[in-house]
This record gives sequence, structure tokens and C-alpha cells, in this order.
Amino acid sequence: DIVMTQSPDSLAVSLGERATINCKSSRSVLYSSNNKNYLAWFQQKPGQPPRLLIYWASTRESGVPDRFSGSGSGTDFTLSISSLQAEDVAVYYCQQHYSVPFTFGPGTRVDFK
Amino acid sequence: DVQLLESGGGLVQPGGSLRLSCTVSGFTFSSHAMSWVRQVPGKGLEWVSVISANGGDTYYADSVKGRFTISRDSSKNTLDLQMNSLRAEDTALYYCARGVSTSCYTPIENWGQGTLVTVSS
Repeated sequence: DIVMTQSPDSLAVSLGERATINCKSSRSVLYSSNNKNYLAWFQQKPGQPPRLLIYWASTRESGVPDRFSGSGSGTDFTLSISSLQAEDVAVYYCQQHYSVPFTFGPGTRVDFK
Repeated sequence: DVQLLESGGGLVQPGGSLRLSCTVSGFTFSSHAMSWVRQVPGKGLEWVSVISANGGDTYYADSVKGRFTISRDSSKNTLDLQMNSLRAEDTALYYCARGVSTSCYTPIENWGQGTLVTVSS
């Protein structure tokens, strides 16, 4: 199984400041035949289901604010929030859908400093 | 609007069975892979199972393999999860989720609100 790790476990950021979350997979999730990274990022707020933010590692889902961006390839990925807003307080998960089982990272909690 | 509505959750004794259903609307059901993902309240997400758009491919987490069966009925626009030999560790909120495309190897795009399964004597 591909093991997904995230760092940090939690972070506190001032309003308007940048938040950066790292995700690492134990094996590459880059599919060479189409050059796509099978890596997605989700945001989950309390009492709500997860919401897709980023897929193929760097493609922003429709309707997601452009302050959210994803980067990385192979085994190392990053989700960045360029300027933290009040509504961004949530837990963020990465997930690989390259190899079954489609494992999630343990989550990173983002809060205000 | 894409809508995914789970049902069938509840309290069941260890060793018992439960069938979850997800009724969908707002999109062409037969054009999307569908998944089940679960979450113990206050904990992280755990992928459970996926089925391709045509139902020909199914995959399961090791923790449920042999006990859970995923299926879909395009005539009713429903996704099901038959859960047998339930254990206390199956207690969780179960989400139905829609994939971006037909393949199982597709990002999850939409989620339902979830249905709670509690396994306890």
C-alpha cells in the first residue's frame, strides 16, 4: 500500500499570511503514460463532508479560490494558501488515487494564530 | 446540481449486516465511478471501496475485503454498499462520493453528507 504522510500535523497562521502543507507518498504517484500525478487535496470543515480543492496535484477545482494552489510531482507535494482567510480554517487531506487502496494522508489542521 | 444522498445507516450488533444506499441526481450516473469513504467522528478519512462507471471494476480496502460488497444500479441511480460481519471498528460516518470520470482511478469530485453506522452490542 502507498502510505501518505502530511506535515505539519497542524499549523496556526495569521490572517492574510501564507499557509503551506506538505504531503509525501511512499511511492511515486506519477503515471508515466499520461504524465499525471494521481494526487488530490481536500478541505474539510467541521460538520461538513470533504471538498475537492486540487486534483492531478495542481489543477484547481472549479469554484475554488485562486489563493489555493497545489504543486509537486512524484512523491512530494505541497498545498499552499497564499493569503489565509477566515473561511479557510479547516482540516486538509491529500489522497493518492494511483494505486488501490486509495489512501489518504492523516490530515493537517489549519487554524488562526 | 449534483446531489448524493446516503441512507441505511444505524445501530447494528457485531457480526450483523447493513446495506447502505446512495441515491444520486443532477448528473449522468453511468458516466462516473463511485466510491465509499468512511470517517470515524473526529478522525481522518479512510477509503473503503470504488466501482467503475460500468460496474465492471471494483476494489476494496483490505480492512473490508471479503465482508463488504459495492454495487450500482443505473436504472435506479443508486450506489449500494452491502456490509456483512460488521465489527466495532466499522463504526463510522460513511460517505458516498462521485469520481470525476468513468475510471476507478479518478479523483473524487463530490461527496454526500454521510450516513452514520454504529456497530455495538
